[in-house]
Amino acid sequence: EAGVTQFPSHSVIEKGQTVTLRCDPISGHDNLYWYRRVMGKEIKFLLHFVKESKQDESGMPNNRFLAERTGGTYSTLKVQPAELEDSGVYFCASSQDTGTSSYEQYFGPGTRLTVT
Amino acid sequence: QKEVEQDPGPLSVPEGAIVSLNCTYSNSAFQYFMWYRQYSRKGPELLMYTYSSGNKEDGRFTAQVDKSSKYISLFIRDSQPSDSATYLCAMRGFKAAGNKLTFGGGTRVLVKP
Repeated sequence: EAGVTQFPSHSVIEKGQTVTLRCDPISGHDNLYWYRRVMGKEIKFLLHFVKESKQDESGMPNNRFLAERTGGTYSTLKVQPAELEDSGVYFCASSQDTGTSSYEQYFGPGTRLTVT
Repeated sequence: QKEVEQDPGPLSVPEGAIVSLNCTYSNSAFQYFMWYRQYSRKGPELLMYTYSSGNKEDGRFTAQVDKSSKYISLFIRDSQPSDSATYLCAMRGFKAAGNKLTFGGGTRVLVKP
């Protein structure tokens, strides 16, 4: 079974530009999460989708970040316009929602975003 | 103060030794505890997931939870060079509080042959 996949693996953009990150969760996983790790800090939660609905977006830093999950399948995270402090590694994770297995989140390899 | 504290290391041990890792937390709402392993330039890989206070064993890995002390541990027996990685603890509350995980900063482990 394929794991969580993310694209691109690395993106370098200039301040003020737009970048869109994509995440494909494990097939059958209704829950999809975005996390971010900036240099020297711990991994932090951004938001949580259940199917196509945003369940919790309490970690989104500001309105320059827009996450979507069309049809409850893959998800995109757009940063517009990008700022220097947005640099970091963006992880996507997914989980099932059947009893305790919803607590097991499986992570993708991450997208390394560099804003110059 | 961070909600989850984890010594960044690095922790260097000889092959075959026991690796001992731990995290402390301040939020008593945390009920579920995970350990992830992360190799360089890879995503976190789930190793262990525990709920109750006490021990849980899986092969060479043992996870301990002490909710009264807000302290969790991971032990790796018979460590191998392939265990060299960053180990992250993560935790969350009951489902009603949301699924988001709160992570420690990670401990870098180096197992020397």
